[in-house]
Parts: sequence; C-alpha cells; structure tokens
Amino acid sequence: DAKTTQPPSMDCAEGRAANLPCNHSTISGNEYVYWYRQIHSQGPQYIIHGLKNNETNEMASLIITEDRKSSTLILPHATLRDTAVYYCIVRVRGNTPLVFGKGTRLSVIA
Amino acid sequence: NAGVTQTPKFQVLKTGQSMTLQCAQDMNHNSMYWYRQDPGMGLRLIYYSASEGTTDKGEVPNGYNVSRLNKREFSLRLESAAPSQTSVYFCASSEANEQYFGPGTRLTVT
Repeated sequence: DAKTTQPPSMDCAEGRAANLPCNHSTISGNEYVYWYRQIHSQGPQYIIHGLKNNETNEMASLIITEDRKSSTLILPHATLRDTAVYYCIVRVRGNTPLVFGKGTRLSVIA
Repeated sequence: NAGVTQTPKFQVLKTGQSMTLQCAQDMNHNSMYWYRQDPGMGLRLIYYSASEGTTDKGEVPNGYNVSRLNKREFSLRLESAAPSQTSVYFCASSEANEQYFGPGTRLTVT
C-alpha cells in the first residue's frame, strides 16, 4: 500500500470547519483514499472514501486533488465530539487489511 | 445488531500464561481481522481471515495464533504471554469497503 503523510496534530474552534490534509504522492491508479477516526480509545470508525472525485456524506467531505497526490477531509461544523485521531489510508478497494500510520490528532476547542 | 463484539474487555496476565481473545460479528461478513495498538501508535495487523477456513499473517504475527471458528467468530490466542504483548487488541470485520471495529481488549502482561 502507498504511504501517507499527515500532520501530527491540529486544533479547530467549535463550529468552524476542520480541514485535515493528507499527502499520498505514490498512490497507484487503483488505490482509493480512505479516512477513519478513533475517538479516545474506541475502535476506529469509518468516515468516507474516494477514488478521484470529491465525495460527501453525512459525516464529512473528501476533496482529492486532480493529480491524486493529496486530499483533504473536511468536517464542516466541528463539534467537541469530533475530537479524535484521524487516519488517512490508501488501499485498493475490497477486503484488504488497513495499514495505519500515526494519523492526525484533532482537538476541537470550545 | 451488536456489530463486532470482543471479550474480555480487560485482562491482566503474568508472563508465560496463555489466553484466548474472542471476537464475534453478526453482520455476515466474510473477512475478519485482528490488530494491536500500542500507546501513541496506529493499529498494526496481526492476522486476518479473508473468508471462513482461511487465515493469513499480518505485520506482527509472532507470538500469536488465530482460529476462524466459523463465519461469525475469529479468536486470537497468546500461547505464552510476554510483556511486549501488552497492548490494546481490536477485532474488525468487513464486506466490500468499510471495516467495522470492536471496542477492544486491553491486555496487560506483567
């Protein structure tokens, strides 16, 4: 799997948009970008995934650059409950295992 | 649906003792996984099972064995626990894209 690079930590004011960047310059053509988050010590939770088009669901939006070398996860109105470690993972689609880096620790501040 | 359940939630072992971590899912998923997470780190894959009757080693399989008992259950066994196996263990299952994680087992080996 291609490797990803994420900032170790970020802060965001409650109610503002949280923009979490991810670099994946060696991504292959058949690899997708996945985002998971881990709140405190719970099991990771799936957020969203995409190939090359922008994606949106009830939790977040995913913006992938045209060259696919980087992406941004957007939480449009961050709340205190969004405080978590966010993992950006690139992998082929299907049931292959996830390869986790250290992720970005997002702190949402009141 | 309970999703992915793990037992026990907490366990303390002495060096050399053995134990089995249990995992079950009620989503009829084919694939199941065992990960471990050490403090401040991302999750690392121990073993996975792409389907009933098959298992494969992950990144850190040494000191562990697994059994895919049936489609629902995937157990992880420590034959002779070592302090280096102190960690939080997560089980997951998947069908297609999204992995669903259990709440974790917090294991301390003294």
